[in-house]
Amino acid sequence: EIVMTQSPATLSVSPGERATLSCRASQSVSSNLAWYQQKPGQAPRLLIYGASTRATGIPARFSGSGSGTEFTLTISSLQSEDFAVYYCQQYNNWPPIFTFGPGTKVDIK
Amino acid sequence: QVQLVESGGGLVKPGGSLRLSCAASGFTFSDYYMSWIRQAPGKGLEWVSYISSSGSTIYYADSVKGRFTISRDNAKNSLYLQMNSLRAEDTAVYYCARGPVAGDYVFDYWGQGTLVTVSS
Repeated sequence: EIVMTQSPATLSVSPGERATLSCRASQSVSSNLAWYQQKPGQAPRLLIYGASTRATGIPARFSGSGSGTEFTLTISSLQSEDFAVYYCQQYNNWPPIFTFGPGTKVDIK
Repeated sequence: QVQLVESGGGLVKPGGSLRLSCAASGFTFSDYYMSWIRQAPGKGLEWVSYISSSGSTIYYADSVKGRFTISRDNAKNSLYLQMNSLRAEDTAVYYCARGPVAGDYVFDYWGQGTLVTVSS
């Protein structure tokens, strides 16, 4: 079973600053890695898929990178609406299992 | 636009059953795999099950295998989750999600969720 870890658990950032979130898989997931944003009381929203492709309508300040076991989500200049919890998600080919990381909360410094 | 609306959540006693529904609109439902994903209060996300576009392929997380049954009715644009032998640890918000999307294996649209509480 592939285990996903995310760091840090909480990231305190000032508006306008850059935020860098990490996600690690216990074994290679190739580029089968996605990032989601979840605000309080809302459903998750897909941000990035294929490790680096922005989903429809996602602003360019969000970018993803990495492959294999190490992945990064970067928010280049934090806006007020970006304070949320961010989850990474991997897909394992067989058995077909989808695993989410524990999340990183980005809050206002 | 894509809309997914869950219903059927509520309070149920341990060992009880509940059936969740998800009404889909704004896309060709029969073209897409669909999933249930849950989130326990204050916790992270856990994929529960998915069903292929035709309903012929189904997978479950080990935590619900043998107790939960996913199904769909393409004529009614609806997804279902029959939950039996419910346990306290099944307490969560249950989201209906479109996907895994072919080739990318992600969930691109989510409903707002329905809360299931298992308690005596």
